[in-house]
Amino acid sequence: QSVLTQPPSASGTPGQRVTISCSGSSSNIGSNTVNWYQQLPGTAPKLLIYSNNQRPSGVPDRFSGSKSGTSASLAISGLQSEDEADYYCAAWDDSLNAVVFGGGTKLTVL
Amino acid sequence: EVQLVQSGAEVKKPGESLRISCKGSGYSFTSYWISWVRQMPGKGLEWMGRIDPSDSYTNYSPSFQGHVTISADKSISTAYLQWSSLKASDTAMYYCARTPGLLSAPLDVWGKGTTVTVSS
Repeated sequence: QSVLTQPPSASGTPGQRVTISCSGSSSNIGSNTVNWYQQLPGTAPKLLIYSNNQRPSGVPDRFSGSKSGTSASLAISGLQSEDEADYYCAAWDDSLNAVVFGGGTKLTVL
Repeated sequence: EVQLVQSGAEVKKPGESLRISCKGSGYSFTSYWISWVRQMPGKGLEWMGRIDPSDSYTNYSPSFQGHVTISADKSISTAYLQWSSLKASDTAMYYCARTPGLLSAPLDVWGKGTTVTVSS
């Protein structure tokens, strides 16, 4: 059971906007920033969003992040087939003194 | 180019020891921590722990404390993940990733992963 809770799956059609939620607690999301990672099939994870809503260089602005209280969200607008991947949220947990990940959300582009 | 190059796939028997490596290049190795992340077959990401290569200070997840050892040799810009006695349940892909030293800092560069298979 992951410390951060994500829906196991999400889907959308090309061009649509989809959101993926990430729920935590006061010891992780509630007191620290959230990072999001994208893992394309058969590849290593890649940093997608950091510090709740910042995009690393090279990440399209179709990807955006937000945080409120003990929850965070990743939004993908203008969905494309190449966005089909697993998405993970992560944050530092002050109680565990560790990085905690969500269980991951498998995004399917229909 | 900033890179983390991981050692090759390993096939081991239960009870054997193993050390896998992660070599950083293209940046100041001692300016970033190295984390290790496990991904069991068909499962999600699990953070194992991290090391500050500048002084070898380590920080382990409670789930992995005592089961693995993380070390580093800054003279050759390499971090290691080590097991003294492997179990079948250690079969997984292991990734190293770098992060600035701040607690909430992201894992901004990842290695391609090392597959470890433990089977009798």
